Amino acid sequence: DTGVSQDPRHKITKRGQNVTFRCDPISEHNRLYWYRQTLGQGPEFLTYFQNEAQLEKSRLLSDRFSAERPKGSFSTLEIQRTEQGDSAMYLCASSVSDRYGYTFGSGTRLTVV
Amino acid sequence: AQSVTQLDSQVPVFEEAPVELRCNYSSSVSVYLFWYVQYPNQGLQLLLKYLSGSTLVKGINGFEAEFNKSQTSFHLRKPSVHISDTAEYFCAVSASGGSYIPTFGRGTSLIVHP
Repeated sequence: DTGVSQDPRHKITKRGQNVTFRCDPISEHNRLYWYRQTLGQGPEFLTYFQNEAQLEKSRLLSDRFSAERPKGSFSTLEIQRTEQGDSAMYLCASSVSDRYGYTFGSGTRLTVV
Repeated sequence: AQSVTQLDSQVPVFEEAPVELRCNYSSSVSVYLFWYVQYPNQGLQLLLKYLSGSTLVKGINGFEAEFNKSQTSFHLRKPSVHISDTAEYFCAVSASGGSYIPTFGRGTSLIVHP
């Protein structure tokens, strides 16, 4: 088990472009979470899945943000029409239960220029 | 809803000295409490957690934390720090008994000087 993998590690994009990030959780973990972290702040919850079901998405920052987990394994987070304010670290985490804590990936750092 | 306050944004300390990183929480229901550590350009790593039972919990790397319900606190301590402990530390709280997503504090930067 190699932990939670995120790809790419870094992404530089021009304002207005679409970007997609991928997360591969620990295989036995049925819960998968997306967080955003900006400089000097703690992780901010975006959305989460239990298996393939997206159970909470009201905290996605705008309708430009969407996430999928089509087969209950890997997940993708897409940001459409990126803005400079989207520049941040996007973290993925997985768990078997909230009470056991999360295993985080190393994150994808997005820079919008 | 729950909230977390990490009282210190930065804590400088000399190597081999003791350290305490403070965390206070607010919640109307029973909680689970967590401390995570984040090294530069990495994701967060779980240090320790409190679910129930003994109020003193021990974690990895020699860290421990004490749950104080009356003070609504969950302070992190280490009796003797190393240079390698320099990192960002995050306290998190989630409501117990349901699928509640943890809320994270803003983090405390621990800076260990030689």
